[in-house]
Amino acid sequence: QVQLQESGPGLVKPSETLSLTCTVSGGSISGYYWSWIRQPAGKGLEWIGRIYTSGSTNYNPSLKSRLTMSVDTSKNQFSLKLSSVTAADTAVYYCARAGTVTRELDHWGQGTLVTVSS
Amino acid sequence: DIQMTQSPSSLSASVGDRVTITCRASQSISNFVHWYQQKPGKAPKLLIYAASSLQSGVPSRFSGSGSGTDFTLTISSLQPEDFASYYCQQSYSTPRTFGQGTKVEIK
Repeated sequence: QVQLQESGPGLVKPSETLSLTCTVSGGSISGYYWSWIRQPAGKGLEWIGRIYTSGSTNYNPSLKSRLTMSVDTSKNQFSLKLSSVTAADTAVYYCARAGTVTRELDHWGQGTLVTVSS
Repeated sequence: DIQMTQSPSSLSASVGDRVTITCRASQSISNFVHWYQQKPGKAPKLLIYAASSLQSGVPSRFSGSGSGTDFTLTISSLQPEDFASYYCQQSYSTPRTFGQGTKVEIK
């Protein structure tokens, strides 16, 4: 069974860069789109962006200027970098896999809380 | 961006009740709509994909319908473990967008 696990610092200072990695186990990372989604406390889900195993990306326009995603197929990992963070970027960050036909998010990581604070 | 308008934002229901949640897209999106269940402190879980296909392992009391702009998630007989938040999501185009969520509470 495919499993995803987010990792990275839980506390980031304002104006710095938030960096997270998602490690995929139980299956290959190749041939799928991999997404990042976030959820501020008590609020709804926001799609951040996705990356294909070729390295092709699609970003949410609301975050695009601050966002970089990358993939390392040799390590079965993909990563997120969000620069110039503010308190508004405080959220639980999830990584997820998209299905191959209708692109539903069929496997999710457990999520990791990132707090932006000095 | 495609807007997904979900209603109601919350509802109170009893065990055994039939519950219906709706999601309306701001433009036609064929059947590229999916439904997720989220319990407190947990990641969302896929229930229904492509508007009406039941994800493996999900109880058959969950069903989905719709096409174009209007979609529905139905729980035929609410069980104690179904009290949670539910979200619709479109995968017709990027950026992917979610409905604002429906919290199903115990009456």
